[in-house]
Amino acid sequence: EAGVVQSPRYKIIEKKQPVAFWCNPISGHNTLYWYRQNLGQGPELLIRYENEEAVDDSQLPKDRFSAERLKGVDSTLKIQPAELGDSAVYLCASSQQDYYGYTFGSGTRLTVV
Amino acid sequence: DAKTTQPNSMESNEEEPVHLPCNHSTISGTDYIHWYRQLPSQGPEYVIHGLTSNVNNRMASLAIAEDRKSSTLILHRATLRDAAVYYCILRGYEKLTFGTGTRLTIIP
Repeated sequence: EAGVVQSPRYKIIEKKQPVAFWCNPISGHNTLYWYRQNLGQGPELLIRYENEEAVDDSQLPKDRFSAERLKGVDSTLKIQPAELGDSAVYLCASSQQDYYGYTFGSGTRLTVV
Repeated sequence: DAKTTQPNSMESNEEEPVHLPCNHSTISGTDYIHWYRQLPSQGPEYVIHGLTSNVNNRMASLAIAEDRKSSTLILHRATLRDAAVYYCILRGYEKLTFGTGTRLTIIP
């Protein structure tokens, strides 16, 4: 079984440029999460989807970040415009039901210069 | 979300058991105790979870104190591949909230 697939693996952009990350969750997992991980810290939740509905986006900086999950499967996280402080690893995870384990992708390492 | 307290770092010799402690004195009755680990340049990986009783799986064992205010992740025979950051997390409603975890170093 394929795991959670994220792309790209690495991305370097100049500040003020847009960037997008893509996630394909495990088939059948209805819940999808985007986390951001700064160096030396644990991951922090940005947004959680139940199927195609964003049910928790309280930590998503909505002035520059947006996300979508079309048809309740793949998801895209976008930053526009990027700032230097957005440099981090962006992780996608999916799960099947409440209290089950999450499966994480390998993440996208974003560097803003 | 209730918080957990873990040592910042631990070391263990290869092929010996490792006991990773976690304190969670403010745990609520419905919080599950989850453990994840993160290898270098990888996303976190699910290890084990439990509610009240001790749990075993192919990766590790989870020992939960009777009052549920602490728990211990047990790796029965550490290998070099177990070197990672281990996160103890109380899973409340719908989401995982990570702390900074314990960085485990395995000494050959």
